[in-house]
Amino acid sequence: DADVTQTPRNRITKTGKRIMLECSQTKGHDRMYWYRQDPGLGLRLIYYSFDVKDINKGEISDGYSVSRQAQAKFSLSLESAIPNQTALYFCATSDWDRGTQYFGPGTRLTVL
Amino acid sequence: AQSVTQPDIHITVSEGASLELRCNYSYGATPYLFWYVQSPGQGLQLLLKYFSGDTLVQGIKGFEAEFKRSQSSFNLRKPSVHWSDAAEYFCAVVPNSGYSTLTFGKGTMLLVSP
Repeated sequence: DADVTQTPRNRITKTGKRIMLECSQTKGHDRMYWYRQDPGLGLRLIYYSFDVKDINKGEISDGYSVSRQAQAKFSLSLESAIPNQTALYFCATSDWDRGTQYFGPGTRLTVL
Repeated sequence: AQSVTQPDIHITVSEGASLELRCNYSYGATPYLFWYVQSPGQGLQLLLKYFSGDTLVQGIKGFEAEFKRSQSSFNLRKPSVHWSDAAEYFCAVVPNSGYSTLTFGKGTMLLVSP
């Protein structure tokens, strides 16, 4: 079984809809991250959490929110989706802030 | 400003030829350095990393990278490319001080020709 899982893997939604992307991990790591990937822009950090009670904004947090429900679960929400949030979203975990990050398979989100 | 630069957006290499992907960083002190690979439709997989010590780092799949402090570079190399190496490659760095997060370059897409 994969160490970092993301659901759903693909999602098509409409402008204005609320959507939640979920991430679960079995690696036992405290640190979890959400990134978005756009062609030609690489990966950009949206939010990160160093433990269950810690939530931090990343480079591009506007329009997003997160919830760390447990050590193993970190969810990303788009309160009111807009077309320029169409992207590939990745969750990642690490065991310390400079350590190797382990990535989930990604969620491809399309906002029409 | 702190940044990671991968100057080549696309590179095409013949199968069996050698490969070098460039990465330069702009940080005050030597950061921790990583190379990740993303195969089509897949997540990112760590190829190798440099924290300290020997400046030539060996990774998985026959890749290696050399840290050059004087050039602020961490270039990825492979002596003989296989068709299965076609993928997008990302250099990433995290500052070696305080709490910090990973910053990625914009990626280099490797195409392998027969």
